Amino acid sequence: GAVVSQHPSRVICKSGTSVKIECRSLDFQATTMFWYRQFPKQSLMLMATSNEGSKATYEQGVEKDKFLINHASLTLSTLTVTSAHPEDSSFYICSARGRAVSGNTIYFGEGSWLTVV
Amino acid sequence: GDSVTQMEGPVTLSEEAFLTINCTYTATGYPSLFWYVQYPGEGLQLLLKATKADDKGSNKGFEATYRKETTSFHLEKGSVQVSDSAVYFCALSGRNTPLVFGKGTRLSVIA
Repeated sequence: GAVVSQHPSRVICKSGTSVKIECRSLDFQATTMFWYRQFPKQSLMLMATSNEGSKATYEQGVEKDKFLINHASLTLSTLTVTSAHPEDSSFYICSARGRAVSGNTIYFGEGSWLTVV
Repeated sequence: GDSVTQMEGPVTLSEEAFLTINCTYTATGYPSLFWYVQYPGEGLQLLLKATKADDKGSNKGFEATYRKETTSFHLEKGSVQVSDSAVYFCALSGRNTPLVFGKGTRLSVIA
């Protein structure tokens, strides 16, 4: 089946620095990628939707200058958390929908635990 | 807008008990319906899906049937195992929309 790989799985960074999370579709072309955030014991919160070659569409309340999303190719999207603060510590999950993936299915990456210290 | 409502947990069952997690939805058009599972400390995995009315998705002993008349997609398993302990998310998606998730139901299975 379709596979989405997310890297890194865990990252610790210092407050004020930036960190980049990559999301790759390994065996299909992802025309649309989604980035979610999940707080402990909470459901997923959609942050933004990105289509290949165009700017991401952010959900209300998500700071686009803080959470930079790039979808430069059909197999790669990146989320950069800029000037990270401890309150940005969370579980970030990407997902992808693509061509030749049946039934409108969206596949998820493994997720990335971000800890800002 | 589209929404998903699933039963609140936590649900605690003994091993080999029957599981039902209710899920109902509100949507325009004919969405696809999904169940995702999240094991402790891990990301999401697709458990099963159904793309049209009366479809039954099944995987690993879990089943769910797309019921348009009741706008439901309840998850069932005849005999749960300790390894099924996880959080289960019901979700829907239209053709060009992201997933809309329910709040998740935490299942704990005790031996």
